[in-house]
Amino acid sequence: DSGVTQTPKHLITATGQRVTLRCSPRSGDLSVYWYQQSLDQGLQFLIQYYNGEERAKGNILERFSAQQFPDLHSELNLSSLELGDSALYFCASSVSWWPTSGNTIYFGEGSWLTVV
Amino acid sequence: EDKVVQSPLSLVVHEGDTVTLNCSYEVTNFRSLLWYKQEKKAPTFLFMLTSSGIEKKSGRLSSILDKKELFSILNITATQTGDSAIYLCAVEASESNFGNEKLTFGTGTRLTIIP
Repeated sequence: DSGVTQTPKHLITATGQRVTLRCSPRSGDLSVYWYQQSLDQGLQFLIQYYNGEERAKGNILERFSAQQFPDLHSELNLSSLELGDSALYFCASSVSWWPTSGNTIYFGEGSWLTVV
Repeated sequence: EDKVVQSPLSLVVHEGDTVTLNCSYEVTNFRSLLWYKQEKKAPTFLFMLTSSGIEKKSGRLSSILDKKELFSILNITATQTGDSAIYLCAVEASESNFGNEKLTFGTGTRLTIIP
């Protein structure tokens, strides 16, 4: 158990809908990262928040948004869903804004999103 | 754009065999290279490499980095069925000298060990 908690574990929704994925980082971790994993593209970095502020941005679509709240939990909002958005969405956390800085980032179990 | 390429994409071997997984990268401002094992869902950390030529070892697993040729290998000796997993390579790099570090992952190597 990495200490990173993600909900829901599985979600099935229709095209055009909007969903929110939730992540609670490990106790003491200030950084939260979101990754998307699909079968053919591996793990794609979406976005990172550090202590409530956006820190780094990857290949995140405009239909997706995220935020980190004062209690450090984070939410990833996916809207106008398309079939191609079906994937495993991972949240990860680390102590500092630097992903490794001598340690590593710790991954949650993921939220499996299926768009039908 | 940062790029991490792993090979082979998939590998099937018999228990007891030795395997070598490859990871090559093209990034600016390289910081470190990491290997992860993904069995069911969450990737779990194996190694972090920052210096060329220094082997990291953990049991039957070992890894080495070549910063001149921009690649790393992960070796697994005397493989067991429990080694079946996706092995992910990730490279940490920064967009400038002062920040915006991020991890770029390869697509992974799916390793299957046959009893």
